[in-house]
Amino acid sequence: AQSVTQPDIHITVSEGASLELRCNYSYGATPYLFWYVQSPGQGLQLLLKYFSGDTLVQGIKGFEAEFKRSQSSFNLRKPSVHWSDAAEYFCAVGPPPAAGNKLTFGGGTRVLVKP
Amino acid sequence: NAGVTQTPKFQVLKTGQSMTLQCAQDMNHEYMSWYRQDPGMGLRLIHYSVGAGITDQGEVPNGYNVSRSTTEDFPLRLLSAAPSQTSVYFCASSPTERPSPLHFGNGTRLTVT
Repeated sequence: AQSVTQPDIHITVSEGASLELRCNYSYGATPYLFWYVQSPGQGLQLLLKYFSGDTLVQGIKGFEAEFKRSQSSFNLRKPSVHWSDAAEYFCAVGPPPAAGNKLTFGGGTRVLVKP
Repeated sequence: NAGVTQTPKFQVLKTGQSMTLQCAQDMNHEYMSWYRQDPGMGLRLIHYSVGAGITDQGEVPNGYNVSRSTTEDFPLRLLSAAPSQTSVYFCASSPTERPSPLHFGNGTRLTVT
């Protein structure tokens, strides 16, 4: 069965500093990978996705993520965080095409931004 | 364009009561699903549907029923609420059942006392 681990429950970063959120997955085939962001009281918004091709993926709001098959990782990065990036971030992995669009989510990383 | 709409936003139930969480999408998406979100556990799949008249169980289906009579609507029913069902519930949809980004509603926060 597939699984996703986000090792950091909370991360505090200063505004303007860089941010990296870790995501490790367990999956028996080539995964479909996603990062979502959740602002307080809101649903989840897609930041970026990886299906195939270039392992460095660009997303919205200045985020990028790198797929590393050898490390089973899909870490999310942003060079310079803004106060509005304070939110909870979820990594998710998708199943083979025949199994429906059933995503498995990690436990989330809450990001706090210090002024 | 409303996207995925969930009602109500908040609900308090007593143990044993029943209720239905509503979910509607206006994007003509075939695939719809329900997740529950609990602290530290991310989102876990309750039930999903690949089209009108077709539903199936996800990871945590016990205590919940679903039906899909139309493409637009995918209600989630709690037949006899339990405190363990206190959670935030999200409905999500995608154009087809093939892997693709899910579109989420804003959630329903349910408390069972």
